[in-house]
Amino acid sequence: GQSLEQPSEVTAVEGAIVQINCTYQTSGFYGLSWYQQHDGGAPTFLSYNALDGLEETGRFSSFLSRSDSYGYLLLQELQMKDSASYFCASLGDDKIIFGKGTRLHILP
Amino acid sequence: DTEVTQTPKHLVMGMTNKKSLKCEQHMGHRAMYWYKQKAKKPPELMFVYSYEKLSINESVPSRFSPECPNSSLLNLHLHALQPEDSALYLCASRPELTRYGYTFGSGTRLTVV
Repeated sequence: GQSLEQPSEVTAVEGAIVQINCTYQTSGFYGLSWYQQHDGGAPTFLSYNALDGLEETGRFSSFLSRSDSYGYLLLQELQMKDSASYFCASLGDDKIIFGKGTRLHILP
Repeated sequence: DTEVTQTPKHLVMGMTNKKSLKCEQHMGHRAMYWYKQKAKKPPELMFVYSYEKLSINESVPSRFSPECPNSSLLNLHLHALQPEDSALYLCASRPELTRYGYTFGSGTRLTVV
């Protein structure tokens, strides 16, 4: 079967750094991507890792270790607008499978 | 144009109605997808079209019928739905099968009464 595990909720303080972890067990794995979804909105693509290592896009970074079937999303300089759900998703065999999502709460 | 456009944004339909959801993209993406998302849950894959041909049907009930008239357009025809089918229906596209992320439309929020 295919599954992705990520924490259901994470709380952090405005201006801080937070890391959201994701472990996966999928077949035909091509890479790991991350999506942000605000309440009532659609998922928005944040990043994609096909190879091991760190990808940086502004305040967001994503990491992948294929040997550990593990990745994470790192959010720096947190802002209140970053309060949302974050999904890791594995790409493979013509489709994306989403993790259950991590709800990020940001405290002022 | 870097968007996936879905219409309508909201739809309320009775269980005996027939309606259609529409999705359009002009980015030249050859893979298009329908996802269903219930509140506080991840998107669940329903259908995948690759080069205008249905490549994946995730055992979706026949009351949902997809159609891809051309490379830019994807429809989802709805008939005899149940209240539990109420959800956010998301369309997405991707430029290649194994690269990059999806571009999602803003979704159609469907309520079946």
